Formats: sequence, C-alpha cells, structure tokens
Amino acid sequence: SQQGEEDPQALSIQEGENATMNCSYKTSINNLQWYRQNSGRGLVHLILIRSNEREKHSGRLRVTLDTSKKSSSLLITASRAADTASYFCATDGGSSASKIIFGSGTRLSIRP
Amino acid sequence: NAGVTQTPKFRVLKTGQSMTLLCAQDMNHEYMYWYRQDPGMGLRLIHYSVGEGTTAKGEVPDGYNVSRLKKQNFLLGLESAAPSQTSVYFCASSQAGTSVQYFGPGTRLTVT
Repeated sequence: SQQGEEDPQALSIQEGENATMNCSYKTSINNLQWYRQNSGRGLVHLILIRSNEREKHSGRLRVTLDTSKKSSSLLITASRAADTASYFCATDGGSSASKIIFGSGTRLSIRP
Repeated sequence: NAGVTQTPKFRVLKTGQSMTLLCAQDMNHEYMYWYRQDPGMGLRLIHYSVGEGTTAKGEVPDGYNVSRLKKQNFLLGLESAAPSQTSVYFCASSQAGTSVQYFGPGTRLTVT
C-alpha cells in the first residue's frame, strides 16, 4: 500500500501562476522527499525535508512539512511550461534509509 | 558519468517467456532498487539490495527474481511473464544511509 497520497491528482494552471500540491502520509517519518517525472522519463529528486524542519526552499520550490497533520505541500512559484510533469512525494516510513514509499502523484500541466 | 542506465528501453514478450532487465550505475552506490509503475500510479518497490550479494523483497516481489553479483549491476528477472507484468520498470540507486534515490530512464515492458 502507498504511504503518501497527493492532492490534487491533476492540476492545470496558466504559465506564471503558482502551483501547490499536497501530500498526506500515514506513519511517522524521518524525512519526506519530492520528485518530478517528465513524461516517459525517470524520476528526478527535487528536495528533501527532514522531520524536524517545517519549511525548506530551493529556487522556485517551497516545501512545508506538518508532522502533526502528517502532511506536506510543494509550492512552485512563477510556473513555466517546463514545469509540466508529474510530482510525487516519498516518505521513509520512519524506518531505515534503505526504502522509501511513493505516493500516487499529481499531474501538473502548465498552459502557455 | 552516465548515472543509472537500463537495458533494454522497450520489450514485448509473450505470456510464459522469460527475460532479464539490466540496471547499471556508475556512482558507486551501495543501494539499488527495482520499481514498477502502472498507469496513474506511483512507484511500487519490487526488490532492493543494500549491497553486493544481498537482495530483499519489496512490496510486490511475486513473479520476479533479482541478483546483485556486482556492486554496479542489479538484474531483474521474469521467469514466466504474465500480462499483469505489463508495466514500466524503473531502477534506482542511492548512497548507503541516505534516502535520495537516482533513477534510470525506465524499461517499458508489454506482455501479450
């Protein structure tokens, strides 16, 4: 079964707008990651946030983590056409670093 | 560096046939993973390895076998392919003790 569930499943916005995706998970974690997958390609790691962190930034990405609600959000500011992709959260389930569990993903489409 | 590579990129099998998917990484990572991705879903872990000569079952191991004879290679075998194994298969690797995974481009397998 999947640890993380993304919301919404699909999102379509105008270029230049901000995109927000949410992830909820079930068990305690050591960290949570976000990955991007372009159509027909492998996943690419975007950002990792540890359980003792509440917010993290990387370029146009902003990730928040609320461990009390077991949820995270990914904000992409000033979206571009190249941001069109599927975005997945992944958690380690609080166990060893050897395994992570992926959510079902959010498909983001950027309209020109 | 090539990163993580997968061979082949595409394959069509008939039910009952066997095949081996090869994953290679040149980052000297200890951990390697095989996932499958079905339409509209996240990745599900098939098998993984935390070092040369070791393998372990993931979430969906039935119908698959793996081997890690060399640190840089991780092989996924299907002994008797079934239509339910039609999927896109991704290999990934990571450094020991870390959660960030690096993915290959995927192998699209169709079983008829």
